[in-house]
Amino acid sequence: DGGITQSPKYLFRKEGQNVTLSCEQNLNHDAMYWYRQDPGQGLRLIYYSQIVNDFQKGDIAEGYSVSREKKESFPLTVTSAQKNPTAFYLCASRAERLIDEQFFGPGTRLTVL
Amino acid sequence: GENVEQHPSTLSVQEGDSAVIKCTYSDSASNYFPWYKQELGKRPQLIIDIRSNVGEKKDQRIAVTLNKTAKHFSLHITETQPEDSAVYFCAASRSTNAGKSTFGDGTTLTVKP
Repeated sequence: DGGITQSPKYLFRKEGQNVTLSCEQNLNHDAMYWYRQDPGQGLRLIYYSQIVNDFQKGDIAEGYSVSREKKESFPLTVTSAQKNPTAFYLCASRAERLIDEQFFGPGTRLTVL
Repeated sequence: GENVEQHPSTLSVQEGDSAVIKCTYSDSASNYFPWYKQELGKRPQLIIDIRSNVGEKKDQRIAVTLNKTAKHFSLHITETQPEDSAVYFCAASRSTNAGKSTFGDGTTLTVKP
């Protein structure tokens, strides 16, 4: 499981609360990504970052925010504005522009109570 | 944007039989097509990938074929084993597009002993 980690594995949140999911990689990868996975569906892109201090919205960015202050870290905040946040969240990283393979973290399962 | 359709959504085969999963994509500029295997509650893991300058790639019991004209690609698993049971995702991306991948909705493969 080396290289990219996510914490916590399980997270419970009350409605109206913000929560931050951690993603750390020691692969020296430039690009990092956040995906959301719902049952029976594929992965949908929330945000991505190609370089430190820069990030872009993906297909479903509403209700989420990110930061990229360090190359190794790309935390995702699920805000109270996200209407249906219960899901499995996956972080991924990629080496460099010409290497396409993405490496995934183990995921965080978020449940809103 | 890119749209990836994957079929079938579920597939059940007898141990030793072959399994085929098909994906179609819409963006003719896509040039990288990975396949991921995801076991229940775990991270997706790359099992094979193909780039647009190649028509076929094989790795032991797994092969992928690509038809750029028709914009579809397929995963072939021969001599299936119970441990092949998992959800399989296809994806398509452009190297020039920040490595963003669009995923299919997944195929749940069950291999019966």
